[in-house]
Amino acid sequence: EVQLLESGGGLVQPGGSLRLSCAASGFTFRSYVMAWVRQAPGKGLEWVSTITSGIGNTYYRDSVKGRFTIFRDNSKSTLYMEMNNLRVEDTAIYYCAKAPVATGATWFDPWGQGTLVTVSS
Amino acid sequence: DIQMTQSPATLSASVGDTVNITCRASQSIGRWLAWYQQKPGKPPKAVIFDASSLKSGVPSRFSGRGSGTEFTLIISSLQPDDFATYYCQQYDSDSYTFGQGTSLEI
Repeated sequence: EVQLLESGGGLVQPGGSLRLSCAASGFTFRSYVMAWVRQAPGKGLEWVSTITSGIGNTYYRDSVKGRFTIFRDNSKSTLYMEMNNLRVEDTAIYYCAKAPVATGATWFDPWGQGTLVTVSS
Repeated sequence: DIQMTQSPATLSASVGDTVNITCRASQSIGRWLAWYQQKPGKPPKAVIFDASSLKSGVPSRFSGRGSGTEFTLIISSLQPDDFATYYCQQYDSDSYTFGQGTSLEI
């Protein structure tokens, strides 16, 4: 059974940093595209970033470019998101999600349970 | 970025009804569209991918149709477990976008 377990969320002040982790199991992690998708409280879904398998090409939404970095450690079957210079508008539940493909544009399933990031002074 | 517009925002229905949820793309996305179901406090689950392919394990009362810019999620013979929020997602490009969601209520 595929399992994705996020961690690393919490309360941080504007301008602060956090690193999210997503521990994966039940599949060959290195062979699949992985993504982070967020959901602000009471709002809809918003794609944040994607990383492909292999050489790990990365993609970001414009509002996080230069502040967030997605990376993966295939030896640990873990996906990460380094988040710097956090803003109030980054407050959301961050979900880790697996794609059914190794590369290319895709849909996502399954998703982890999410980790809450709150940016507030 | 490609904009995705869902309608309606809220849909009231009863057990046994058939409902349609529409998603429109701001430009053609071929058949690169997925539908997700999300219940309160839970992560989304995919129900349809490639516009009309049913994800394994999803009941056959769910179906999807459309291509280009207009897509529909159809749920036939609604069951109590189907009341949730539904989102569409385009994956025509590597900059993904979701619709704003449709809340399906009793």
